Amino acid sequence: EVQLVESGGVVVQPGGSLRLSCAASGFTFDDYAMHWVRQAPGKGLEWVSLISWDGGSTYYADSVKGRFTISRDNSKNSLYLQMNSLRAEDTALYYCAKPELRAPMGGAFDIWGQGTMVTVSS
Amino acid sequence: EIVLTQSPDFQSVTPKEKVTITCRASQSIGSSLHWYQQKPDQSPKLLIKYASQSISGVPSRFSGSGSGTDFTLTINSLEAEDAATYYCHQSSSLPLTFGGGTKVEIK
Repeated sequence: EVQLVESGGVVVQPGGSLRLSCAASGFTFDDYAMHWVRQAPGKGLEWVSLISWDGGSTYYADSVKGRFTISRDNSKNSLYLQMNSLRAEDTALYYCAKPELRAPMGGAFDIWGQGTMVTVSS
Repeated sequence: EIVLTQSPDFQSVTPKEKVTITCRASQSIGSSLHWYQQKPDQSPKLLIKYASQSISGVPSRFSGSGSGTDFTLTINSLEAEDAATYYCHQSSSLPLTFGGGTKVEIK
């Protein structure tokens, strides 16, 4: 079964740091670019970041650029999101998402994790 | 950044009615437009890819159309289980973007 399982979400103070993880299974992980998408409580979906299949290229939404770092370990079938200088507006459910195509951006997201909740509050 | 504008924001519909949701892109995105369904407390689920391509396992009452800047998701003969929020998403260029969502309620 193709599956993505996120972890690492907690309550953190403004200015704090956190690392999210996403464990992938059921597909050839290093064939695909991977994405993080977030959803603030009661709000819509916001794309956060993209990493190429080999980790050589990374892209970010302007709202997180310079504060978040996406990475992957293909030997562990794992995706990560290092989040620094957290703000209240980063409070959201963070999903990792697999694109359906083996292409730089990959098209539609055919597999989503269940999400991990990050709350930034003092 | 490509802005996706969905309409309506909310729709209350009786079962068996037809539902039409539109998504307008701020610039041409070809057919790189996808639709998702999100039920409460669930992750989004891919419904339609590349504007009109069906997804295995998705009921045939869901269909998509459009290209360029104007896209439509149609739900023929709405069922109670279709109560959800629907999002469009463009993969034409970075940053990837989503529409604001359309909540469909069953009367």
